[in-house]
Amino acid sequence: AQKVTQAQTEISVVEKEDVTLDCVYETRDTTYYLFWYKQPPSGELVFLIRRNSFDEQNEISGRYSWNFQKSTSSFNFTITASQVVDSAVYFCALSDRDDKIIFGKGTRLHILP
Amino acid sequence: KAGVTQTPRYLIKTRGQQVTLSCSPISGHRSVSWYQQTPGQGLQFLFEYFSETQRNKGNFPGRFSGRQFSNSRSEMNVSTLELGDSALYLCASSPGLAGYGADTQYFGPGTRLTVL
Repeated sequence: AQKVTQAQTEISVVEKEDVTLDCVYETRDTTYYLFWYKQPPSGELVFLIRRNSFDEQNEISGRYSWNFQKSTSSFNFTITASQVVDSAVYFCALSDRDDKIIFGKGTRLHILP
Repeated sequence: KAGVTQTPRYLIKTRGQQVTLSCSPISGHRSVSWYQQTPGQGLQFLFEYFSETQRNKGNFPGRFSGRQFSNSRSEMNVSTLELGDSALYLCASSPGLAGYGADTQYFGPGTRLTVL
């Protein structure tokens, strides 16, 4: 069965610190997709990244980077030099042959000024 | 391009009533998915519609139903409301089928439903 675990329920860091959000997934499929979404207080989920299981290259987009490791079934997300605007709930999600998208419980990130 | 829009943004209903929520996808997107978000259960998939056909359904009772129109707009209906149906209902659209990660979904702001 599919499962996405975000063990960190809530994280608080001081502005400009780096922070890593963990995501561990379970699937029996060899082909699957992983996602990260950001949910600011307004409630709308904002798409951040989509990665397929055959592409293990790490990705960097500005202050955001993602580390995908199939060996540990992890898809971690790092924010470098965090800013107050990064405060939000971040969701990791998995989609495989089951044809549904399964979300983790989310990590609430507080960036303190 | 306009994003996904959902109406209404807020709703208050009483137990036993029914409710209809509306979602307008991004122009050109043919798939619409619905999700329920609650503090206890998190984000849960309700169903996905593509070309007016339900393509996939989550583990929700039959009180939850939906439909999609020829212009890709979608409605979700919940009948005989229960207190536990209080949640944020999110709609997402994608150009093609979202299942199996085939396409990226873009979310609307949600409709917050409160059942008293």
